[in-house]
Amino acid sequence: GAVVSQHPSWVICKSGTSVKIECRSLDFQATTMFWYRQFPKQSLMLMATSNEGSKATYEQGVEKDKFLINHASLTLSTLTVTSAHPEDSSFYICSALGSSQGPDTQYFGPGTRLTVL
Amino acid sequence: GENVEQHPSTLSVQEGDSAVIKCTYSDSASNYFPWYKQELGKGPQLIIDIRSNVGEKKDQRIAVTLNKTAKHFSLHITETQPEDSAVYFCAASKGSSNTGKLIFGQGTTLQVKP
Repeated sequence: GAVVSQHPSWVICKSGTSVKIECRSLDFQATTMFWYRQFPKQSLMLMATSNEGSKATYEQGVEKDKFLINHASLTLSTLTVTSAHPEDSSFYICSALGSSQGPDTQYFGPGTRLTVL
Repeated sequence: GENVEQHPSTLSVQEGDSAVIKCTYSDSASNYFPWYKQELGKGPQLIIDIRSNVGEKKDQRIAVTLNKTAKHFSLHITETQPEDSAVYFCAASKGSSNTGKLIFGQGTTLQVKP
């Protein structure tokens, strides 16, 4: 149990285009999901907290108009990188909170590698 | 704000030896401490966690200890195997009754030499 999936696993896009990444909790309901980005050889940086049915809460320094988050159901959150630029290239990872194994436990997806040309 | 310091940044051990990774947190309100293992190109995988009402937890070759007074917690891996090689992250949280946010340490790259 407690499986989180992400789609796509990798994506290459041209500068100026938008990219949508999906995060799904497959076998549990997640009222809260989190979005992180990770640069090579670095730790995870929290971008935003996504709560089902409400607006996302963004961390300081993260542009909410650039990184659009939608958490429309208890099993799906999406991150859209709008007008992507090469500096947005990174590894994006989501996590879902809340499962039968403990309400505090975050389970992570496999990540999405975004490359902006 | 909350800060989590993790040491060492790299650790190399011989197969069969033990490995210890240590973390220190700053916010005394933190009450949940998970450890994650991340392999190259993959998402973090939860390997063990501990809550503040417990001082030690063990799962086969992996154990975690927590010292709330000192605000320290440690990961212990015994009888290491080459497949234990990965990056390990500690984290601290004030729990889902708060925001549920995890504050991560900087990570430790563990190399187990056969």
